[in-house]
Amino acid sequence: DPGITQSPRHKVTETGTPVTLRCHQTENHRYMYWYRQDPGHGLRLIHYSYGVKDTDKGEVSDGYSVSRSKTEDFLLTLESATSSQTSVYFCAISQAVSRVDTEAFFGQGTRLTVV
Amino acid sequence: AQKVTQAQTEISVVEKEDVTLDCVYETRDTTYYLFWYKQPPSGELVFLIRRNSFDEQNEISGRYSWNFQKSTSSFNFTITASQVVDSAVYFCALSESGTDKLIFGTGTRLQVFP
Repeated sequence: DPGITQSPRHKVTETGTPVTLRCHQTENHRYMYWYRQDPGHGLRLIHYSYGVKDTDKGEVSDGYSVSRSKTEDFLLTLESATSSQTSVYFCAISQAVSRVDTEAFFGQGTRLTVV
Repeated sequence: AQKVTQAQTEISVVEKEDVTLDCVYETRDTTYYLFWYKQPPSGELVFLIRRNSFDEQNEISGRYSWNFQKSTSSFNFTITASQVVDSAVYFCALSESGTDKLIFGTGTRLQVFP
């Protein structure tokens, strides 16, 4: 299995507090992604990264920021958590864009509850 | 715009029945990739298959088979002789050439009863 670790795995936080989720990989893959999973929506892309200090927004980026200072770590920050950000968050990695045999591998997920 | 539709929200079958999960996609690109992922009750996402838009050959892997038809923009997934362990949510996804960003359908929950 690809070496992807998400931390924490579960978190309960209060509305208005900042929260940071961490994704750590040991595969040296260039591309990393954050998705959120909600009932009725499947998974939706929040932010992604092409490399160190190279990030871009996805479909549902409002209220989130990311940072990637090292190849192996991709951090997702909720600046001021809201109840609408209660979700399961998945990190994914992939080797390279345009490689025929590429696919995204997913972490175990982080269940975040904002009360 | 790209879109993936999984119209079946939930399917229930009895063990050993065959079941087909539907996936319809929309894209303007001529080069794209289609995927199926399985999410068992434990919550992780398990990669099942990737297909590129130039390869319309059907694929079989054990009890799993996939039918890709560009003419109908569909990439359907069939489980033959279903088993209780097949109970999961199955996601179909699309990515376009030049990006690994995945666009997911809303998923189909499959329940296989003994």
